[in-house]
Amino acid sequence: DSGVTQTPKHLITATGQRVTLRCSPRSGDLSVYWYQQSLDQGLQFLIQYYNGEERAKGNILERFSAQQFPDLHSELNLSSLELGDSALYFCASSVVAGGLTQYFGPGTRLTVL
Amino acid sequence: DQQVKQNSPSLSVQEGRISILNCDYTNSMFDYFLWYKKYPAEGPTFLISISSIKDKNEDGRFTVFLNKSAKHLSLHIVPSQPGDSAVYFCAASARGNYGQNFVFGPGTRLSVLP
Repeated sequence: DSGVTQTPKHLITATGQRVTLRCSPRSGDLSVYWYQQSLDQGLQFLIQYYNGEERAKGNILERFSAQQFPDLHSELNLSSLELGDSALYFCASSVVAGGLTQYFGPGTRLTVL
Repeated sequence: DQQVKQNSPSLSVQEGRISILNCDYTNSMFDYFLWYKKYPAEGPTFLISISSIKDKNEDGRFTVFLNKSAKHLSLHIVPSQPGDSAVYFCAASARGNYGQNFVFGPGTRLSVLP
């Protein structure tokens, strides 16, 4: 158990809909990262937050947004969903913004029908 | 453009023998490299890392070698155990202005046969 929690575990929705994925980092970790893993692909870095502020941006679509709240939990919002958004979404946390060791949650599997 | 490549999608090794997983990268700005292990239905777990100022790092049965001139790193597992069967991701990091950008390879599925 990494100490990072993600909810929900599974999410099934339809094209055009909007969903919110939630992540709680390990106790004491200030930085949160979001990744997308599509079928048979590696993890694609989406975005990083540190203590409520955006710190780094990867290949995140404009239809996707994220935020980190004062209690340090983070949410990833996916809107106007397309079939290709079906993937595993992982959240990871680290102690500091440049934390080189990230602790991953179990992921949320999103299926868009 | 894949900056981190793991050209072997899968690898099978006999229990007790050495497993060698390879990773190549293209971006010379990467200054830190990590290996993660992932079991089904779980998130990746950090295994071992190496800074670009070193060429070898060892932790128990796991050793990572870095060849900067070839932009290549490898993970050696000796001896391999059935519990090592998992997908292994190589990741590279370049320090940005505020945070750390991580790029992951597509993974290699290791099967250790009893």
